Amino acid sequence: GNSVTQMEGPVTLSEEAFLTINCTYTATGYPSLFWYVQYPGEGLQLLLKATKADDKGSNKGFEATYRKETTSFHLEKGSVQVSDSAVYFCALSDSPQGAQKLVFGQGTRLTINP
Amino acid sequence: KAGVTQTPRYLIKTRGQQVTLSCSPISGHRSVSWYQQTPGQGLQFLFEYFSETQRNKGNFPGRFSGRQFSNSRSEMNVSTLELGDSALYLCASSLIFSRTGGRETQYFGPGTRLLVL
Repeated sequence: GNSVTQMEGPVTLSEEAFLTINCTYTATGYPSLFWYVQYPGEGLQLLLKATKADDKGSNKGFEATYRKETTSFHLEKGSVQVSDSAVYFCALSDSPQGAQKLVFGQGTRLTINP
Repeated sequence: KAGVTQTPRYLIKTRGQQVTLSCSPISGHRSVSWYQQTPGQGLQFLFEYFSETQRNKGNFPGRFSGRQFSNSRSEMNVSTLELGDSALYLCASSLIFSRTGGRETQYFGPGTRLLVL
């Protein structure tokens, strides 16, 4: 079945450092890809998405490019802030017969130190 | 536009009891999905409803059930609670366009945290 693999966490960086969180997927067909973020005690917030190969999703300084040749959707940010500390989830749409279903990676906990 | 709302936000139950969780989707959204989040298993899909019909179901026992009402609000029920059912239950809604099938963005609520003692 379809699956998503994220880099192991936790990840700890200093403020203004460059961030990369790796995400690779296995899927049949052409899924949409998503990054969601979860702050402590909250639900998931959509960070960005891409719906087809070579699409770049971007939001709040974060970017990710849908790479079909490497089946990847790595999350990057040029300069992280303390407020970016959260858990990040990579996900793909797994939509049998049009139904909605997301398959998530295991999540990567990010801590940014001032 | 209001986001996805879930009630209650926190719940404590004992083994063997049953529980019902409620989800109100974003206005105009007709698809509602439910997910279970635990530290050990991560985020797992429970089921999805569209137009009051369950279209897809994850790999959970029959103790987990749900339904959707004509106003798109959804409930999920867990009967005969077990300690392992302690989790954050997340509801998500999406706006479905038939031409793109099931690939629409899902927007999540804050979740209901269930503790089973």
